Amino acid sequence: DSGVTQTPKHLITATGQRVTLRCSPRSGDLSVYWYQQSLDQGLQFLIQYYNGEERAKGNILERFSAQQFPDLHSELNLSSLELGDSALYFCASSVDSRQVTTEAFFGQGTRLTVV
Amino acid sequence: AQTVTQSQPEMSVQEAETVTLSCTYDTSESDYYLFWYKQPPSRQMILVIRQEAYKQQNATENRFSVNFQKAAKSFSLKISDSQLGDAAMYFCAYRSPLLGGNEKLTFGTGTRLTIIP
Repeated sequence: DSGVTQTPKHLITATGQRVTLRCSPRSGDLSVYWYQQSLDQGLQFLIQYYNGEERAKGNILERFSAQQFPDLHSELNLSSLELGDSALYFCASSVDSRQVTTEAFFGQGTRLTVV
Repeated sequence: AQTVTQSQPEMSVQEAETVTLSCTYDTSESDYYLFWYKQPPSRQMILVIRQEAYKQQNATENRFSVNFQKAAKSFSLKISDSQLGDAAMYFCAYRSPLLGGNEKLTFGTGTRLTIIP
């Protein structure tokens, strides 16, 4: 168990709909990352939050957004869903302080299927 | 931008034998972190091993070891005494040491490892 919790594990929804994926990082970790894993694109970085603030953006579509709350859990919102958004979405967390740089620990992922 | 290349889409090895998975990367940074992650059929991403570029000594974790060649920008993973539970997709990943927005992982495309009983 990595200590990173993602819910739900599976999600099936129709095109055009909106979904929210949730992530609780490991205790003490300030950074939360979202990654998308699809068959044709591999593992792609979407966005990073650090202690409640957006820190870095990757290949995230405008239809997607995220936030990190005061208790450090994070949500990834996907809207106007398309068939091509079907993928495995991972959340990862790490400490990322100036004193400590650690590896990222991953949640079990949310499998999103858009039909 | 950094890139990570895994040129072996698939590998197979007999149980109890040794296998080496290849990874090369491209970066202009002098210091960085490299990782190998394992993704079994359960889909969980599991950290296997980590290497800091400033360390000359190759990292080792039980049956897993790396051959880190900084000048060649090569980072291979050696699995000794392969076990059935080692069957998985293996990803090589790069991370910058810089804080403030550069901490993301850049992944290779993965190598699917099959263990033959």
